[in-house]
Amino acid sequence: QKEVEQDPGPLSVPEGAIVSLNCTYSNSAFQYFMWYRQYSRKGPELLMYTYSSGNKEDGRFTAQVDKSSKYISLFIRDSQPSDSATYLCAMTPGGTPLVFGKGTRLSVIA
Amino acid sequence: EAQVTQNPRYLITVTGKKLTVTCSQNMNHEYMSWYRQDPGLGLRQIYYSMNVEVTDKGDVPEGYKVSRKEKRNFPLILESPSPNQTSLYFCASSRTKTLNTEAFFGQGTRLTVV
Repeated sequence: QKEVEQDPGPLSVPEGAIVSLNCTYSNSAFQYFMWYRQYSRKGPELLMYTYSSGNKEDGRFTAQVDKSSKYISLFIRDSQPSDSATYLCAMTPGGTPLVFGKGTRLSVIA
Repeated sequence: EAQVTQNPRYLITVTGKKLTVTCSQNMNHEYMSWYRQDPGLGLRQIYYSMNVEVTDKGDVPEGYKVSRKEKRNFPLILESPSPNQTSLYFCASSRTKTLNTEAFFGQGTRLTVV
């Protein structure tokens, strides 16, 4: 079993839809959870960061971590064409290299 | 502007011809790393450096070398490139290893080895 599993998509939604992106993981030592966004031909950029379990909201984006289920989610409300990108989850116990999911490609259609 | 700069952005080379991809950051970050990104495999770490003169292997170090003589620079060296090293490469930096949660990535270097 891979340490981090992420559905690669592609995921195509109409503009204004609520998007749910998910990752599951197997290492119970993971404490720090991140979502990176990567536009085509660009490097990944940090979108959201969460420590341990719980929710974090930033504008239209909400990150959720459920450590008991080893499951993390990123919700995008009122999705826009500019949200079209690949979304990568990443996690670490802290102080060790990040472990990335393979990324989910999202297309938001106007 | 805070940034990680990689050069070149695109490179086509022949098997066995040594090459270096440069990486420089202007944020005084201690921690730097190199990744390769391949379809279906995602981002995989090649090497990382916790500070000047301190480097260590990541998940896929074979065929690569790095050095960290200055804090801002972390070049990736392919002594004898092979076609299986054709990939998209990213350099990243973060403040410290402990604060590796916020990694800043460069724009990427697309390498083709023929």
